[in-house]
This record gives sequence, C-alpha cells and structure tokens, in this order.
Amino acid sequence: QKEVEQNSGPLSVPEGAIASLNCTYSDRGSQSFFWYRQYSGKSPELIMFIYSNGDKEDGRFTAQLNKASQYVSLLIRDSQPSDSATYLCAVNRDDKIIFGKGTRLHILP
Amino acid sequence: NAGVMQNPRHLVRRRGQEARLRCSPMKGHSHVYWYRQLPEEGLKFMVYLQKENIIDESGMPKERFSAEFPKEGPSILRIQQVVRGDSAAYFCASSPDVKRTQHFGDGTRLSIL
Repeated sequence: QKEVEQNSGPLSVPEGAIASLNCTYSDRGSQSFFWYRQYSGKSPELIMFIYSNGDKEDGRFTAQLNKASQYVSLLIRDSQPSDSATYLCAVNRDDKIIFGKGTRLHILP
Repeated sequence: NAGVMQNPRHLVRRRGQEARLRCSPMKGHSHVYWYRQLPEEGLKFMVYLQKENIIDESGMPKERFSAEFPKEGPSILRIQQVVRGDSAAYFCASSPDVKRTQHFGDGTRLSIL
C-alpha cells in the first residue's frame, strides 16, 4: 500500500459546482496533513493544512480530516476555471512530508 | 520578505557532467528539503537538512547524488556524472521547524542532453 494515495484524475467539475478531492494515508501516526496546489510547470503552493479531526474552512476551501478512517479531503466551493490545477495531498511521517501523486482537477467553463 | 530562492531556474548538462543546484531558504528557516518531480509524477522526497547536518537522506540515490547545507550560504544539491534519467524538476522547500508547513521555491528544471 502506498503511503499517500490519490486518484490521479482528471476530475472534471462544472464551473460553480463543488470539487471534492480525496486522499488516504497509511501511517496512523501522522499528525499533520497538507493540501498543495500545483499549476503546470510551477512550484507547489500551500492551500490548506489541518491537524485535528473535523473540518477547517478558509474561504472557498474546506479541508476535512478523519483520522480513524485515515482519510483527508479538500472541498472547493464555487469552482472557478483558475482552480484547474493538480492538487497534492501531503502527510507528515517522522521528520519529513510524503506527497501523493496528485489529482488533476479541470473546471469546465 | 523573499521566499525560497532556487537557481538556476533551468540547467542544461551533457551526460557525464556535473550539475549543481542551489537553494536559499526563507529568512528564519533552518530546515531545508529537496524533492524531485518527474513529468506527471508526484514529488519524491530526497533529503532533509539543517544547518551543517544531513538529517534524513533516505530518498537520495546511493551514488552520484549529494547534498549540503553549510553554515554560510545556500544549500547545494550536487549530481555527478549526470545521466538522461536525471532530467527532472528539482524543488527545494524550507520551514522554520520540522512540524511546520514547507514553502517551496520555483524549482530548477534540469535537462540532460
């Protein structure tokens, strides 16, 4: 089992709808969880981080963490074409952060 | 308030040459991480350094690759005798401590002819 798993996509979502991105992780000891956005040819940019079970909201973004199920998700409300990018889920393990391969999100105008 | 600075942005080398990639962390950050990203792939952890110390190099290839973070100056990722398979984007990230979020530089795109 891979340490951090994401569906590679592409995930196509109509403009204005809610995009839901999912991630599972294998290390029960992980305590920090991150979502990065990466545009093609660019560097990853931190979108959200979450440490506690439950939801964390920031503008149009909501991160959800369920440690019992080892599951973390990112919801993007009112999706915009500028949200089209690859979203990387990342989880800490010991002294480093392990990244998933990312989910490509395509917002349909 | 400069972010993480990487240079060069693009580097072209011929097979057998050496590649040196530099990374200056954000001000106040003493933890540096190097990652490699192949096209259509995720970020692969390579090495984690603090000033003058390699903390975790479990992601580094056993040969030809080395990294340092001297007391003065940037962190350096060095690839000796480059091969075509070394072509990738190399990203550096820094953080103020191991549990805090990492901030990424713009990366160095390495191309091997």
